[in-house]
Amino acid sequence: QKEVEQNSGPLSVPEGAIASLNCTYSDRGSQSFFWYRQYSGKSPELIMFIYSNGDKEDGRFTAQLNKASQYVSLLIRDSQPSDSATYLCAVSNTGKLIFGQGTTLQVKP
Amino acid sequence: DGGITQSPKYLFRKEGQNVTLSCEQNLNHDAMYWYRQDPGQGLRLIYYSQIVNDFQKGDIAEGYSVSREKKESFPLTVTSAQKNPTAFYLCASSIAYWRLMNTEAFFGQGTRLTVV
Repeated sequence: QKEVEQNSGPLSVPEGAIASLNCTYSDRGSQSFFWYRQYSGKSPELIMFIYSNGDKEDGRFTAQLNKASQYVSLLIRDSQPSDSATYLCAVSNTGKLIFGQGTTLQVKP
Repeated sequence: DGGITQSPKYLFRKEGQNVTLSCEQNLNHDAMYWYRQDPGQGLRLIYYSQIVNDFQKGDIAEGYSVSREKKESFPLTVTSAQKNPTAFYLCASSIAYWRLMNTEAFFGQGTRLTVV
């Protein structure tokens, strides 16, 4: 079992729709959870992090964490073509930062 | 400007040669990381360090070595024992978890290594 699992996609949504990206993790001791965005050929950049159960909103982005189910998700509202990228889920436990394989999102105009 | 510098951006080496990738940061971060990314894949952790003179193996450490003699620097050596070294290598740094638990990692621009 991989430590952090994501559906590789691609996930295709029309412009203006809500994109929902999901991630599960295996280590129950994990403390912090991150969503990064990576454009092709570029380095990952942080979208947001979450560490408490529940929802955290930042602009068009909402992260959701359920530690009992070992599940973290990212919702992107009003998706734009510029949101087309690979979204990486990352999980940290005592400084070891592990990434999932990423989900490719395609937003079609 | 504060940031993480990886050099070179592109690197070509012959099979059987060791090669060292540079990673320097001026963010005063304690923690540094090395990841490998293959086409269409996520980031796989090679080594990480939370403090000077200490580092831990990640999930794919075989065939790689690191040192952490200075806070600012975390070079990665890809040895001839690494069977498939051609990949995109990313270095990252962050505040150490023991200072601030929920701290993001900042990435360098990466080094694309091609072994022929």
